[in-house]
Amino acid sequence: GAVVSQHPSRVICKSGTSVKIECRSLDFQATTMFWYRQFPKKSLMLMATSNEGSKATYEQGVEKDKFLINHASLTLSTLTVTSAHPEDSSFYICSAISQPQTEQYFGPGTRLTVT
Amino acid sequence: KQEVTQIPAALSVPEGENLVLNCSFTDSAIYNLQWFRQDPGKGLTSLLLIQSSQREQTSGRLNASLDKSSGRSTLYIAASQPGDSATYLCAVIRPGGFKTIFGAGTRLFVKA
Repeated sequence: GAVVSQHPSRVICKSGTSVKIECRSLDFQATTMFWYRQFPKKSLMLMATSNEGSKATYEQGVEKDKFLINHASLTLSTLTVTSAHPEDSSFYICSAISQPQTEQYFGPGTRLTVT
Repeated sequence: KQEVTQIPAALSVPEGENLVLNCSFTDSAIYNLQWFRQDPGKGLTSLLLIQSSQREQTSGRLNASLDKSSGRSTLYIAASQPGDSATYLCAVIRPGGFKTIFGAGTRLFVKA
């Protein structure tokens, strides 16, 4: 099946710093990428939808100035957590689809810990 | 607003048992439904994707059914093995934009 990678897999940063997470589709062109956040023992919460070359669409309650999303190419989307705080600590997962197919392929996730 | 519910929240069974995981959704206007497996601290692995026009999909020991009219899907696992222990997530993909709504998952533990 299609492969989606995320980098880094794990990151620890200090409060107030910014962290960038990359999501890459390795063997297909992703017309749309999604970013999710998962709290411990909870399900995935969609944060934003990212289409190549256009601004991301954020879900209600997600601060777009805090979670900057860039989808610069058909194989790469980035999520930057700006001025991170401990409450931003979470597991962040991206997924990608290549329309007209609709099956989502998920990355392995990035564990962010803000100290 | 689409809501996805999974029952049970947790399940413990002895090895070899056949089991059924349930997923229900409130809005029958879906594009498709997907079942995933998630191991602790890991990402998601897609198990089965059912298009809205389909009734079921099978892969090995797994069979997923979809009944849009009643807003239900089931994941049947035959002859369970300890390696099947994981959290199983049901997700509904909405038409137009492909937004995905996840259930909270069923944590499965298969005892050897």
